[in-house]
Amino acid sequence: QQQVKQSPQSLIVQKGGISIINCAYENTAFDYFPWYQQFPGKGPALLIAIRPDVSEKKEGRFTISFNKSAKQFSLHIMDSQPGDSATYFCAASMTGTASKLTFGTGTRLQVTL
Amino acid sequence: EAGVAQSPRYKIIEKRQSVAFWCNPISGHATLYWYQQILGQGPKLLIQFQNNGVVDDSQLPKDRFSAERLKGVDSTLKIQPAKLEDSAVYLCASSVDRSSGTQYFGPGTRLLVL
Repeated sequence: QQQVKQSPQSLIVQKGGISIINCAYENTAFDYFPWYQQFPGKGPALLIAIRPDVSEKKEGRFTISFNKSAKQFSLHIMDSQPGDSATYFCAASMTGTASKLTFGTGTRLQVTL
Repeated sequence: EAGVAQSPRYKIIEKRQSVAFWCNPISGHATLYWYQQILGQGPKLLIQFQNNGVVDDSQLPKDRFSAERLKGVDSTLKIQPAKLEDSAVYLCASSVDRSSGTQYFGPGTRLLVL
């Protein structure tokens, strides 16, 4: 019940295209859904996060779409750039007294010229 | 604002040896986390501290792993004895407190057990 399933495992997108990564969760007690970006040799860095009281959140070229009934959320990267090439992890947690993050398995994104 | 600091960045040891990792969280952050990230997988929480107390160590292999945060600031994670399957990146993260969802990660320590 604690799993977060992420797909696809890898993704190749042309420069200027849209990158879409999907995640699904089981635990309905999760109330915080962040996306992390990780470059080789670096720790994960928070990219954008959403709570279940909204269905969409946009920050620059990055958008999270959230479907509470389907228990799914996705990351959309508009106008993808070569500098976006990294591994992306979705995660989920119950904030408050139990804030540990449960991560998805990651998506390796490559943006080609 | 300085980020989460970790050392060493890399460590190579032989199986059955011991190893220790150090983490200094962002100043003022009460909650500290240690994660294990095996190649090709997402980070998995090993232990969570609130100040100098353990909040969650349910996934810590306590027969070989130990961690402490004695003064509620920096923390040490130890493995003794190490096994081949412990080869991974060990990430430290911190947050303002347990109610904050935002965790800030350090660069990690890459461990290779031969």
